[in-house]
Amino acid sequence: RKEVEQDPGPFNVPEGATVAFNCTYSNSASQSFFWYRQDCRKEPKLLMSVYSSGNEDGRFTAQLNRASQYISLLIRDSKLSDSATYLCVVNAGPGNTGKLIFGQGTTLQVKP
Amino acid sequence: DVKVTQSSRYLVKRTGEKVFLECVQDMDHENMFWYRQDPGLGLRLIYFSYDVKMKEKGDIPEGYSVSREKKERFSLILESASTNQTSMYLCASNYIGSYNEQFFGPGTRLTVL
Repeated sequence: RKEVEQDPGPFNVPEGATVAFNCTYSNSASQSFFWYRQDCRKEPKLLMSVYSSGNEDGRFTAQLNRASQYISLLIRDSKLSDSATYLCVVNAGPGNTGKLIFGQGTTLQVKP
Repeated sequence: DVKVTQSSRYLVKRTGEKVFLECVQDMDHENMFWYRQDPGLGLRLIYFSYDVKMKEKGDIPEGYSVSREKKERFSLILESASTNQTSMYLCASNYIGSYNEQFFGPGTRLTVL
């Protein structure tokens, strides 16, 4: 079983749509959670951290369910510029401070 | 702004050559990481370092070695390049701690012929 699992997609949605990505992780000791965005042929960049209480940044909402070891990302009112690969990321747990485990990524293509 | 730089964006080498990939960060980060990224396999950790002269193996260290002589610089070495090492190589860094994001360099696309 992979440590971080995501549906690779691709998700093809029209502009203005709402789209949700899900991710599961296997290490119950993980303490921090992130969504990264990676554009084609570019490096991954932090999109947002994910907190237990859930958090929102404009059109983006992230949720964490520790009991189910499940993380989600919701994008509302999709824009063409949201087309990218979204990586679910968790830290490796105590004793591996700073080390992160990356999911394979979910590809989003927003169409006009 | 945090800056992580890598010595080359594109590199073409021949089988059996020794290859050096350099990474430099300017944020005084303790941790530095080398990943490779391949289609369908995602990011895989090769080696990381949490201090000068310290290194730890990641998930796929075979065929690679690393060097960290200065805090800001982390080098990845392919002792004898092979065609299956053709990949995108990404360097990253962060502060030690459980809640710290990693910052990535722009990547080096290495082709081994």
